[in-house]
Amino acid sequence: KAGVTQTPRYLIKTRGQQVTLSCSPISGHRSVSWYQQTPGQGLQFLFEYFSETQRNKGNFPGRFSGRQFSNSRSEMNVSTLELGDSALYLCASSRTGSDYGYTFGSGTRLTVV
Amino acid sequence: GDSVTQMEGPVTLSEEAFLTINCTYTATGYPSLFWYVQYPGEGLQLLLKATKADDKGSNKGFEATYRKETTSFHLEKGSVQVSDSAVYFCAPISNFGNEKLTFGTGTRLTIIP
Repeated sequence: KAGVTQTPRYLIKTRGQQVTLSCSPISGHRSVSWYQQTPGQGLQFLFEYFSETQRNKGNFPGRFSGRQFSNSRSEMNVSTLELGDSALYLCASSRTGSDYGYTFGSGTRLTVV
Repeated sequence: GDSVTQMEGPVTLSEEAFLTINCTYTATGYPSLFWYVQYPGEGLQLLLKATKADDKGSNKGFEATYRKETTSFHLEKGSVQVSDSAVYFCAPISNFGNEKLTFGTGTRLTIIP
């Protein structure tokens, strides 16, 4: 079966711009989570959606937002980009959450210049 | 909140050596525990998991046992291969509706032929 698909794989943006990243979960998975990975901070949780509702949120500024559609696909948006937003953004999906484990996509590498 | 302490890397071993990567955690209630692996340029892959005390997760020759009394989930493999070179992450997830993985800093493993 198809895995978690993230698009695009690579992005280069300028400071102050905004960006939208997309994640298509595994068919049947209703939980979608987003993580930011940087060399300095490691893997940090952004937010988690289940059935179109944000269920959990990490400690990121309001410039980071997300949403989930009725088909479970999810998008995250970062507005007013800063150099420090350069990172690998990973999406993970699960049937319902913790007990089933999460399947990760290959990520979107965002570079802010 | 949840936290993870992982063995500091990098770890370099010869092929066929025995591997142990230590992981201890703090988490609410009775968390599920996961080991993820990240190969260069890729997202995270679920390696193994355990959902209750004394459970042993295993996959591809790797094993880890959920030790509630010592809050540990050490990863072991009896004979490593060059293809095991990757970064390994330990992650608990609390099962009280807080659906987020808390990752350790990761342990970079390099296997020398």
